Amino acid sequence: QSVVTQEPSLTVSPGGTVTLTCGSSTGAVTSGHYPYWFQQKPGQVPRTLIYDAENKHSWTPARFSGSLIGGKAALTLSGAQPEDEADYYCLLFYNGLAVFGGGTKLTVL
Amino acid sequence: EVHLLESGGGLVQPGGSLRLSCTASGFTFIDYGMTWVRQTPGKGLEWVSSMSGKTDTTYYADSVKGRFTISRDNSRNTLFLQMNNLRVEDTAVYHCMKGGWGNVLDFWGQGTLVTVDS
Repeated sequence: QSVVTQEPSLTVSPGGTVTLTCGSSTGAVTSGHYPYWFQQKPGQVPRTLIYDAENKHSWTPARFSGSLIGGKAALTLSGAQPEDEADYYCLLFYNGLAVFGGGTKLTVL
Repeated sequence: EVHLLESGGGLVQPGGSLRLSCTASGFTFIDYGMTWVRQTPGKGLEWVSSMSGKTDTTYYADSVKGRFTISRDNSRNTLFLQMNNLRVEDTAVYHCMKGGWGNVLDFWGQGTLVTVDS
């Protein structure tokens, strides 16, 4: 059973930059895992921010970017806003199944 | 505008069955894979199952394999999840999503709550 790991919590100052990471127990995360990033604010349905590691949807704020760094998928938030405080989940695809990470609770403080 | 509406959730005893539906609009349903994701109240997300659009290939999480069946009726733009032999740990909000396996996962439905309790 593949395990996807994320930082349980991170804090960023308003206007600051933070990077969330997503690792795999099977080894390096690659484009072949088609990494996704989702944002969920309290009481809301998740929304998709990033797909295929680095691609944004039309609704994804420009301050969010995705990449592959050091064998992990990464979500970088540049210029954090108070409304970015949320839970962030990554999703990786494996052969015949998909696995979510445990989520990162991002605090903007 | 894409819209996904889940239904069929409710309270069921352990060992019981439920059938969830997800009615889709705003896109050409037959062209897209579809996915079920669940979220235990106050906890994280868990991928449950996906079905590709054109080949109807199905995929399941190990936790539901052999108990849940994903299917679709393209004439009614509807995705289903038949859940049998339900367990307490299946209690969650079940969301359908547009996309998966060949299509980008983009839109989420609001979800339907399934509670498994005696």
